[in-house]
Amino acid sequence: ETGVTQSPTHLIKTRGQQVTLRCSSQSGHNTVSWYQQALGQGPQFIFQYYREEENGRGNFPPRFSGLQFPNYSSELNVNALELDDSALYLCASSRDRAPNSPLHFGNGTRLTVT
Amino acid sequence: AQSVTQPDIHITVSEGASLELRCNYSYGATPYLFWYVQSPGQGLQLLLKYFSGDTLVQGIKGFEAEFKRSQSSFNLRKPSVHWSDAAEYFCAVGAGTNAGKSTFGDGTTLTVKP
Repeated sequence: ETGVTQSPTHLIKTRGQQVTLRCSSQSGHNTVSWYQQALGQGPQFIFQYYREEENGRGNFPPRFSGLQFPNYSSELNVNALELDDSALYLCASSRDRAPNSPLHFGNGTRLTVT
Repeated sequence: AQSVTQPDIHITVSEGASLELRCNYSYGATPYLFWYVQSPGQGLQLLLKYFSGDTLVQGIKGFEAEFKRSQSSFNLRKPSVHWSDAAEYFCAVGAGTNAGKSTFGDGTTLTVKP
């Protein structure tokens, strides 16, 4: 069983640029959630996708957007990057939306904005 | 809105000693509670979860946690710590019925002395 994989592992961008992060969910999982983890803080919920539809969003501006594909993999796009967007971005997949479906996290993408 | 507080930023224990990590939550309904562990450069791994029923829940790696509604707490314990337990620990509360929309605390870093 393949776990959650994220790419790239590290990324350096300049303020104002755009970035796309990718996530392959675990086999059999149809739900993907994205989190931002700033240094020294806990993960913050960005949004969730369930069967290709957005299923809830945290307190992030519209320049954070996402997609989920028919194979349930997902992308996180961030436009007009700001310095404060520097963080570890975590993707987590689960078998479905139910609360007893454990989240399986990838190892994250470390984004640095200069 | 829900929130999670982990009062201890950093805890140091000797190998073989017992461990208790504190977690306090705020949520208007019956909470769904989780503990995760994060090793350096890794994603988060679920240790245990509480949804309902028995207030003492067992998890992986010998961890357990006790839900106390009167104290709004969900403290994590381990009777005897191993050096490999050194990591960062996060408590989280699930939004309604969906674990994917969890709110996390800022974590407690555990150091284990030989």
